Amino acid sequence: GQNIDQPTEMTATEGAIVQINCTYQTSGFNGLFWYQQHAGEAPTFLSYNVLDGLEEKGRFSSFLSRSKGYSYLLLKELQMKDSASYLCAVRDTVTGGGNKLTFGTGTQLKVEL
Amino acid sequence: KAGVTQTPRYLIKTRGQQVTLSCSPISGHRSVSWYQQTPGQGLQFLFEYFSETQRNKGNFPGRFSGRQFSNSRSEMNVSTLELGDSALYLCASSLDSSGYGYTFGSGTRLTVV
Repeated sequence: GQNIDQPTEMTATEGAIVQINCTYQTSGFNGLFWYQQHAGEAPTFLSYNVLDGLEEKGRFSSFLSRSKGYSYLLLKELQMKDSASYLCAVRDTVTGGGNKLTFGTGTQLKVEL
Repeated sequence: KAGVTQTPRYLIKTRGQQVTLSCSPISGHRSVSWYQQTPGQGLQFLFEYFSETQRNKGNFPGRFSGRQFSNSRSEMNVSTLELGDSALYLCASSLDSSGYGYTFGSGTRLTVV
């Protein structure tokens, strides 16, 4: 099985940088996703890391260390619209292949003026 | 191109009834997964279908079932509804087993009274 930990809440200031950490203990690992979810809406894909290292996409970057069971999502130049829940999810290794994700409980980010 | 479409968006049912939810994946996507999201448990994997076959299954009781049609559209059925089944039900589709392009629909909000 999988156990995924991420902070419950974080607060940051508009224009600043925030790092959301995610640690996982797994019996199998086949990639790590980050999703953004605004209240009442569907999760929106942000990043997918399979190999170690940093992936940058505009204001968002994601880092993965498989040996440490650790990932982080970095958000730069924070905007008010970035206030949302950020979900870390591990893609399990499953017999016969396939897509089965285990999610953390999410980090609620509040961006303030 | 059109995203993942889930119908209906909202549903109110009575305890003991059954319900069927529908998911139309992105055109060309063959994998459809279903998740339940509740405030207490977060997002939990229900099952995945690929080419009309259930490929993976989560830890939910047998009251939760699904199927996939030849056009990749999928339905999820919950029988003998309980109050605890009240949740946002999300489906996600992807092209194949790689995990890339894993996209969620807007969900069906089910309320059991």
